Amino acid sequence: AQKITQTQPGMFVQEKEAVTLDCTYDTSDPSYGLFWYKQPSSGEMIFLIYQGSYDQQNATEGRYSLNFQKARKSANLVISASQLGDSAMYFCAMRDDTGGFKTIFGAGTRLFVKA
Amino acid sequence: NAGVTQTPKFRILKIGQSMTLQCTQDMNHNYMYWYRQDPGMGLKLIYYSVGAGITDKGEVPNGYNVSRSTTEDFPLRLELAAPSQTSVYFCASSYSAANYGYTFGSGTRLTVV
Repeated sequence: AQKITQTQPGMFVQEKEAVTLDCTYDTSDPSYGLFWYKQPSSGEMIFLIYQGSYDQQNATEGRYSLNFQKARKSANLVISASQLGDSAMYFCAMRDDTGGFKTIFGAGTRLFVKA
Repeated sequence: NAGVTQTPKFRILKIGQSMTLQCTQDMNHNYMYWYRQDPGMGLKLIYYSVGAGITDKGEVPNGYNVSRSTTEDFPLRLELAAPSQTSVYFCASSYSAANYGYTFGSGTRLTVV
């Protein structure tokens, strides 16, 4: 069975510094997708970044990058130059590519950006 | 472009009552999903659909039913509401292409008392 683990319930970072949010996953499927979503205090879910299991390079989207280490089954999110607006809940997720594109979510990490 | 629209945004139900959470998307997405998010937790998949007329159970389907008569609509039915169904419910949709994330609705906060 697939599993996503986020071991950091909460993280603090100083404004303008970089922060890494950890995510490990477990699957026996060779084809899968890894995602990060942001949930601000307003409650909506915002898609941030995607990494496919066959992608050779780490994904980047603006200030977000995904540090994909396939052998270690980790997919950490790196946020560079943190901003106050980055304070939110962050969820790592893994999608099943065998049909239905079902996605399972980790428990989340709450990020606090300090001024 | 409205994206994914969920109604209502808030609802209080009494134990044993029933209701339908509405979800509509205007992006012609084939794939649609219902998740629930309990306080301080991640999202759990309730039901999903890969196209009109096709639905399947997710991780936590008990106490819920769905239908998908059109591409646009994917309502979630709660029968005989229980306090354990107090949660925030999210509807989401996606392209069939693999590298797209979900587009989520704004959520429905449901309290069963």
